[in-house]
Amino acid sequence: GENVEQHPSTLSVQEGDSAVIKCTYSDSASNYFPWYKQELGKRPQLIIDIRSNVGEKKDQRIAVTLNKTAKHFSLHITETQPEDSAVYFCAASPDSGGGADGLTFGKGTHLIIQP
Amino acid sequence: DTGVSQDPRHKITKRGQNVTFRCDPISEHNRLYWYRQTLGQGPEFLTYFQNEAQLEKSRLLSDRFSAERPKGSFSTLEIQRTEQGDSAMYLCASSITGTSVIDEQFFGPGTRLTVL
Repeated sequence: GENVEQHPSTLSVQEGDSAVIKCTYSDSASNYFPWYKQELGKRPQLIIDIRSNVGEKKDQRIAVTLNKTAKHFSLHITETQPEDSAVYFCAASPDSGGGADGLTFGKGTHLIIQP
Repeated sequence: DTGVSQDPRHKITKRGQNVTFRCDPISEHNRLYWYRQTLGQGPEFLTYFQNEAQLEKSRLLSDRFSAERPKGSFSTLEIQRTEQGDSAMYLCASSITGTSVIDEQFFGPGTRLTVL
């Protein structure tokens, strides 16, 4: 089955600086890669996703890059703000032909934005 | 509230008891997923349905775990003979499938299970 590794487990950056979180996956059949943000005591919420037919996707301060050959993808957050503090999870899933199967998540990165 | 809802939000039970959780997906969503999340870990996929059909159940943690979605709307997750290791947050998610697009999974608030 799929295995997703995520690094680092904790990331502390100064407000205004950039943050990068990296993930690797093992199953070459995976072709859907979402990123979720989870605040303490809250449900995971999708912040951005990428599919295997594109290499990069950007949404305001957030961008995701995908390298299918190397089986890794990364989340980039620029101009970090205090409200970016949370746990971020990467995930991967194959598409069985009608939609995503169950997601395999990484262990998460606790992002701390220092004022 | 038009999001995914789960009931109960918290459940405390004694070891050996059976528990059942309910998930109501977003109304037009045809796929429904169950995950388990333990402290400090990412959600762990358990099973999912497309309409009333359970498409994957090999990832259920043991034969004590079962799930149903009898009419293709709400779903229930049952754990029989609970053990202390079953203590976790149980999350439900739903999505709607298109013809060739993988769509976002929206998560519910979860049911936190504590087994004493």
